[in-house]
Amino acid sequence: VQLVETGGGLVQPGGSLRLSCVASGFTLSDYWMHWVRQAPGQGLVWVSRINEDGIVSNYADSVKGRFTISRDNAKNTVYLQINSLRAGDTAMYYCVRDLRDYNYWGQGTLVTVSS
Amino acid sequence: QSALTQPASVSGSPGQSITISCTGTSSDIGTYNFVSWFQQHPGKAPKLLVYDVNYRPSGVSNRFSGSKSGNMASLTISGLQAEDEADYYCNSFTTANTHVFGGGTRLTVL
Repeated sequence: VQLVETGGGLVQPGGSLRLSCVASGFTLSDYWMHWVRQAPGQGLVWVSRINEDGIVSNYADSVKGRFTISRDNAKNTVYLQINSLRAGDTAMYYCVRDLRDYNYWGQGTLVTVSS
Repeated sequence: QSALTQPASVSGSPGQSITISCTGTSSDIGTYNFVSWFQQHPGKAPKLLVYDVNYRPSGVSNRFSGSKSGNMASLTISGLQAEDEADYYCNSFTTANTHVFGGGTRLTVL
């Protein structure tokens, strides 16, 4: 099982990024997938989730309207589109399979918002 | 979607037992048995210790156990070992169809 996140980097306030999470070693379409973020030196914060076929998605209030989660099971990839970036969005973003018994975490991709 | 409440820090000596509390509301822990606990060592991704309140994934030591009463969940670590020194987070599903983490607890093994 492997989850590899890419797409992070340094971006100016107001900018956008699309994070990608490529899954391997399991059938992506069998699982809910989540994004969780962690600001430097801070705790874990749940961001969003998407169901197995991509029809259902939910968001934390703090990101609703700015973040969009999606998936392409044929490409074994989950995405997080992040718009109108703010300094408070600076964090490691983790792609996570399930938050219960089939849990698995990627190593994360770092997003830094700074001018 | 306020974070679940955990103590900022706990400590214990090797061999002792400690308990970390996680207090939520009737909108999360009080309604669902979907409470998970994660361990995170510095610079590492979190690791699942307990799910659905009191179930351990295969490979996780039986020194870790979970419980729940009302709006509060707990993680107990028995027979403390130096390697248990880490940050611990609880997580719950909510009535808004979202998830919420606790603020995290730093465990120090004295």
